[in-house]
Amino acid sequence: AQSVTQPDIHITVSEGASLELRCNYSYGATPYLFWYVQSPGQGLQLLLKYFSGDTLVQGIKGFEAEFKRSQSSFNLRKPSVHWSDAAEYFCAVAGGNQGGKLIFGQGTELSVKP
Amino acid sequence: DTGVSQDPRHKITKRGQNVTFRCDPISEHNRLYWYRQTLGQGPEFLTYFQNEAQLEKSRLLSDRFSAERPKGSFSTLEIQRTEQGDSAMYLCASSPTGASNSGYTFGSGTRLTVV
Repeated sequence: AQSVTQPDIHITVSEGASLELRCNYSYGATPYLFWYVQSPGQGLQLLLKYFSGDTLVQGIKGFEAEFKRSQSSFNLRKPSVHWSDAAEYFCAVAGGNQGGKLIFGQGTELSVKP
Repeated sequence: DTGVSQDPRHKITKRGQNVTFRCDPISEHNRLYWYRQTLGQGPEFLTYFQNEAQLEKSRLLSDRFSAERPKGSFSTLEIQRTEQGDSAMYLCASSPTGASNSGYTFGSGTRLTVV
């Protein structure tokens, strides 16, 4: 069965510091991988996605993620965090050529210190 | 097209009442998904449609829950005899069949509070 683990429930970083949010997935075939961001009381906004090809994918707002098949990981990174990045971040996996349902991790809450 | 729309944004209901939520997907998207999200958790899959056909239902979707997409456009999610445990954010998303092209687009959700 597909599953996603985000080991860090809450992370605090200083503004301007680098960020890495961890995501590990379980899926038997080639996964489709996503990172979403959610501000309080809002829906989910897609940051980036990986389907195939280059394992380093660029997203919006200066985020990037790297797919590592050997580690079953898809970690999200940003070189310099802004105060507006404070939010909840979700990693998700979907399977198969036709997509289908998304399975989400528990989420990582990011706080940014001034 | 302005994206995925959900109505209402907030709903407060008394325990035991029935509630219905509506989702209008992106018009070109033939797949529509419902998720439930409780505080501090990731969204949990409930069900999804391809056009008017309901292709998959989660075990989370008890017999008090029913979803429809009668004409393959908008969808409704009804909860009968609501319980306090139903309090959550209900999210709708849509995608084309081959989601690899554009991914999944989420609405802003309907927050349900059962008192």
